[in-house]
Amino acid sequence: NAGVTQTPKFRILKIGQSMTLQCAQDMNHNYMYWYRQDPGMGLKLIYYSVGAGITDKGEVPNGYNVSRSTTEDFPLRLELAAPSQTSVYFCASSYAQPGTGGLKTQYFGPGTRLLVL
Amino acid sequence: KQEVTQIPAALSVPEGENLVLNCSFTDSAIYNLQWFRQDPGKGLTSLLLIQSSQREQTSGRLNASLDKSSGRSTLYIAASQPGDSATYLCAVWAAGNKLTFGGGTRVLVKP
Repeated sequence: NAGVTQTPKFRILKIGQSMTLQCAQDMNHNYMYWYRQDPGMGLKLIYYSVGAGITDKGEVPNGYNVSRSTTEDFPLRLELAAPSQTSVYFCASSYAQPGTGGLKTQYFGPGTRLLVL
Repeated sequence: KQEVTQIPAALSVPEGENLVLNCSFTDSAIYNLQWFRQDPGKGLTSLLLIQSSQREQTSGRLNASLDKSSGRSTLYIAASQPGDSATYLCAVWAAGNKLTFGGGTRVLVKP
């Protein structure tokens, strides 16, 4: 298994540009997440999904959009990039038996480093 | 709102010394707690996951304890090695399907 993959690894954007960060997992996990990590800080949840067609906001969703059309893919869209979105973005996935409330280990991708100038 | 704190933010020890990393959380109604390792420029690797009903988990030189009532977890790394140098993050899973992370402890093990 490739696990969780993310593309691109690094990107420079100009203010106001848009882009999509790609994330895919091949472990048949139902849960997927997007986090951002600012220098010297922990991770903050942007959006998450509990299954195809279902997404919900995390702690810092403003300026981002997501979709989950398949179990495998969970792209993150940045519209009108701003310098405050300069960060490292991590995608993660995990599995939980629906209705149990207890999740298994989260698996993380290698991250996408984004610089907005 | 759940808040997770890790103190100290950075730690430097000589090789062979035992490491003790602390994590505290404000809301004890958690499902589980995870410890992660992050190497510079890399993603996170899960080290240990403790379910809310457990008191501790062990894997090799790593041992993590959980005291829900006091809102604390401790990660012990025995006989530290230079390869243990990394940032260690704890995260708690609570209601709402969300993992809340601490700020991490950056560890340097000096040969």
